[in-house]
Amino acid sequence: GAVVSQHPSRVICKSGTSVKIECRSLDFQATTMFWYRQFPKQSLMLMATSNEGSKATYEQGVEKDKFLINHASLTLSTLTVTSAHPEDSSFYICSARAGLEGGRRTDTQYFGPGTRLTVL
Amino acid sequence: AQSVAQPEDQVNVAEGNPLTVKCTYSVSGNPYLFWYVQYPNRGLQFLLKYITGDNLVKGSYGFEAEFNKSQTSFHLKKPSALVSDSALYFCAVIPKGSGTYKYIFGTGTRLKVLA
Repeated sequence: GAVVSQHPSRVICKSGTSVKIECRSLDFQATTMFWYRQFPKQSLMLMATSNEGSKATYEQGVEKDKFLINHASLTLSTLTVTSAHPEDSSFYICSARAGLEGGRRTDTQYFGPGTRLTVL
Repeated sequence: AQSVAQPEDQVNVAEGNPLTVKCTYSVSGNPYLFWYVQYPNRGLQFLLKYITGDNLVKGSYGFEAEFNKSQTSFHLKKPSALVSDSALYFCAVIPKGSGTYKYIFGTGTRLKVLA
């Protein structure tokens, strides 16, 4: 249980184009999804928190107009990198938190496999 | 400021020997504590968590961790390391009563198990 998928796993695009990354919780409903960015040999940097049906909450320094997040359903959140530039190249990871596990409130995040974005 | 420390960037251990990956935290109140493992070019896999109750928590793949309130630590342990345990390990904390579910991550520890 608690499987999170991400698509695509790897994308290469030209500078100036937009890229959409999907994050799906496959076997549970995710009340909250998180988007992270990870630079080589570094820890995860939280970009934003999204709750189903409401606007995402962005961390300080993260441009909301550049990183568009949509959480349209309890199993799907998307991150769109708009007008991507080489400095946006990174490993993007989503996670999902189920509201309940075994009938009890849970705080555990389950992570997707990540998306490697390369902007040329 | 609330923080999580993983004091060792890398830990080397011989296969079959016990391993310890250290984590200490500085947060207000009693936190929720988590360990994750990351293999190259992959997301994080959940290993175990401490919420309340028994201080010794057992998790996936033979790993366990002990919550030590007085030392504000949550070290990850395994009695006998495998080469396949070689990966990047992250400790994460949610301060109780924070009002959010956001993790505070440690910087990660690379575990290398030598055959």
